[in-house]
Amino acid sequence: DAKTTQPPSMDCAEGRAANLPCNHSTISGNEYVYWYRQIHSQGPQYIIHGLKNNETNEMASLIITEDRKSSTLILPHATLRDTAVYYCIVRVTGRRALTFGSGTRLQVQP
Amino acid sequence: DGGITQSPKYLFRKEGQNVTLSCEQNLNHDAMYWYRQDPGQGLRLIYYSQIVNDFQKGDIAEGYSVSREKKESFPLTVTSAQKNPTAFYLCASNQAGGEKLFFGSGTQLSVL
Repeated sequence: DAKTTQPPSMDCAEGRAANLPCNHSTISGNEYVYWYRQIHSQGPQYIIHGLKNNETNEMASLIITEDRKSSTLILPHATLRDTAVYYCIVRVTGRRALTFGSGTRLQVQP
Repeated sequence: DGGITQSPKYLFRKEGQNVTLSCEQNLNHDAMYWYRQDPGQGLRLIYYSQIVNDFQKGDIAEGYSVSREKKESFPLTVTSAQKNPTAFYLCASNQAGGEKLFFGSGTQLSVL
């Protein structure tokens, strides 16, 4: 599975959009980009995933660059409850298990 | 409610003791996983199982054992061979090959 690079921490003002970047320059053509988040002392929660097209659901939007070497998770209107560690993972669907790096610790400020 | 139940939430182990962490799911998922998380770190895969009566080692299986006798249950035993067992343990499941992984609420294991 391709390696990902994320900033260790970010701040965002409540009500503003949170844009979390992820670099995956060694991604292969059949590898998907997944995003999960983990609120303190809880299990991670699935957010969204995509292959090459931008994706949107009720939680967030995923923007993948045309060359697929990076992506951005967008939380359109961050709330205090969005404070969590966000993990970007690249994996071939159906293969073994997800590998979670250290992620980005997002702190939403009031 | 469908979901994954881990118990206990907190567990203490004495030196030389084996302890077993429970994980039960009623989502009818084929695959189940155990992860370990140390403070400030990401999750590391211990064991996983794609079907009943079959399981594979993950990246840090030494000092741990599992069984998968029923589809809904995947208990993890932390043996005395695991010299640094203090960590947060997470169980997860999904349909085999499915994209979305579902997690339990975790068990915090500490050594007395």
